[in-house]
Amino acid sequence: DVKVTQSSRYLVKRTGEKVFLECVQDMDHENMFWYRQDPGLGLRLIYFSYDVKMKEKGDIPEGYSVSREKKERFSLILESASTNQTSMYLCATRFNDEQFFGPGTRLTVL
Amino acid sequence: QKEVEQNSGPLSVPEGAIASLNCTYSDRGSQSFFWYRQYSGKSPELIMFIYSNGDKEDGRFTAQLNKASQYVSLLIRDSQPSDSATYLCAFPSGGGGADGLTFGKGTHLIIQP
Repeated sequence: DVKVTQSSRYLVKRTGEKVFLECVQDMDHENMFWYRQDPGLGLRLIYFSYDVKMKEKGDIPEGYSVSREKKERFSLILESASTNQTSMYLCATRFNDEQFFGPGTRLTVL
Repeated sequence: QKEVEQNSGPLSVPEGAIASLNCTYSDRGSQSFFWYRQYSGKSPELIMFIYSNGDKEDGRFTAQLNKASQYVSLLIRDSQPSDSATYLCAFPSGGGGADGLTFGKGTHLIIQP
């Protein structure tokens, strides 16, 4: 059974803090993705990775960076959190065209 | 910029009727299309994907693709209250999907008992 886990379901941070969102998959999938989901804007791709050490910008990478040191782990980093980064963050992996999503992290930046 | 258009709804359908969800897309080169279901507070889950023009059936769900009109739809037969959710249409952003998916904003479906 496919399993994608995210480190936190809910997170509250202060403006200017450095924030790490962790995603772990146990399926040995090469492709991993970070999306954010906002009401009225839908799901938007932030960053993705084809494999270890590889990363590519998605549609809205500004204010974010990523790290993929191991195949099973893909981290999203908010270098200096801002209130407009309050959102639901969803990690996903891909296998045979299907994307498998983690449960999501609802981040609130105060 | 690739785009996917969906009617946000809510679309209200009586229990037992057919729910019809529609999606148009901008990229004529898109070869595959996906329908995801998302319950409130949950993450999206794949219902169906379709590559070829025509219909594809899976249980109570039928996906329809018309590449000439850049139109894809999802029919849900014998709608149940458990089908109440937001339905997202998506297609690969590039690289056959390795570059992620471009999603529509979703249609909120309500099945009325």
